[in-house]
Amino acid sequence: DAKTTQPPSMDCAEGRAANLPCNHSTISGNEYVYWYRQIHSQGPQYIIHGLKNNETNEMASLIITEDRKSSTLILPHATLRDTAVYYCIVRSPYNNNDMRFGAGTRLTVKP
Amino acid sequence: NAGVTQTPKFRVLKTGQSMTLLCAQDMNHEYMYWYRQDPGMGLRLIHYSVGEGTTAKGEVPDGYNVSRLKKQNFLLGLESAAPSQTSVYFCASSYEYTEAFFGQGTRLTVV
Repeated sequence: DAKTTQPPSMDCAEGRAANLPCNHSTISGNEYVYWYRQIHSQGPQYIIHGLKNNETNEMASLIITEDRKSSTLILPHATLRDTAVYYCIVRSPYNNNDMRFGAGTRLTVKP
Repeated sequence: NAGVTQTPKFRVLKTGQSMTLLCAQDMNHEYMYWYRQDPGMGLRLIHYSVGEGTTAKGEVPDGYNVSRLKKQNFLLGLESAAPSQTSVYFCASSYEYTEAFFGQGTRLTVV
């Protein structure tokens, strides 16, 4: 089973920040949090990952709580092209490095 | 630089037929993965490999076999296809702690 829990769907207004939550309460100390998204039926696309510090790149920001049991992906200025299914996963090379996806959150950006 | 290439992109099989899906990556990645995605659902891990000559079972391995004879290739085999294996299959590859890159998928229909 996936080790993460995400809301099934969310809406966001175009131009606003989209905040996507993820619960990973059983995360272990050596597991990273990764975020991917899947647009239509394309292959998933990597967005960002982190261990315990907050991370930012050109696509998004990742906020990880101090206890590491949850995180939030932030798309600062959502556009219509950000409409996709967003997946949060945890992964560790010390756990055979398998990557298991849950159902994800379907984000719909509305004009 | 092709990234991750899946062959074929589409295939229709009759029940009981066999086939092999090929995943090829040119990034010298150690880790490779096979997933299936059914309509409206997330990705489910079938098998994965942490290096040449090694394979491991994922969440839904039954009915599938895999081989990793060369580092750059990961083969997924269906020995006797069933309608329940109708799905979109995705392959991915990565280094140990880095992001995974996905192929564009193989749409398989078993009639």
